[in-house]
Amino acid sequence: DSGVTQTPKHLITATGQRVTLRCSPRSGDLSVYWYQQSLDQGLQFLIQYYNGEERAKGNILERFSAQQFPDLHSELNLSSLELGDSALYFCASSIIGQGADTQYFGPGTRLTVL
Amino acid sequence: GENVEQHPSTLSVQEGDSAVIKCTYSDSASNYFPWYKQELGKRPQLIIDIRSNVGEKKDQRIAVTLNKTAKHFSLHITETQPEDSAVYFCAPRGRDDKIIFGKGTRLHILP
Repeated sequence: DSGVTQTPKHLITATGQRVTLRCSPRSGDLSVYWYQQSLDQGLQFLIQYYNGEERAKGNILERFSAQQFPDLHSELNLSSLELGDSALYFCASSIIGQGADTQYFGPGTRLTVL
Repeated sequence: GENVEQHPSTLSVQEGDSAVIKCTYSDSASNYFPWYKQELGKRPQLIIDIRSNVGEKKDQRIAVTLNKTAKHFSLHITETQPEDSAVYFCAPRGRDDKIIFGKGTRLHILP
């Protein structure tokens, strides 16, 4: 157990809908990262937050948005969902969010769009 | 944009033999080079990492070597065991703290 929690574990929804994925970092970690992993694909870095502020941005679609709250938990919002958005979404956390800073991954949220 | 390539994409080795996976990156500003292991249906887990001022690091049966001039780093697993079967990802950290994961190497340990 990494200490990073993600809810829900599974999510099934329809095209065009909007969902919110939640992540709680390890105690003491200030940075949160979001990744998307499609079937047989590697991990795509979406976005990173540090202490409430956006730190780095990857290949995140405009339909997706995220934020980190004062208590350091983070939410990833996915809207106008398409079939291709079906994937495993991982959250990771680290202490300072830069340089040689170890990331700890949560168990993931499996999103299925029908 | 920045590029990360991992080779091979699939690797099968006999139990007890060694496995080597190579990661090539393009961002010369990269300064942190981790390797992650992901077992089927589980989360990625860091298994070893190296900083840019070090050429090699070893942890029991696992080692990582870095060649900054050639912009590649490699994962070495010796005396492979069945539990080493997994997908391995490299994820060099580059400028602006951007992280790019390689596409992964599926390692099969044959009995």
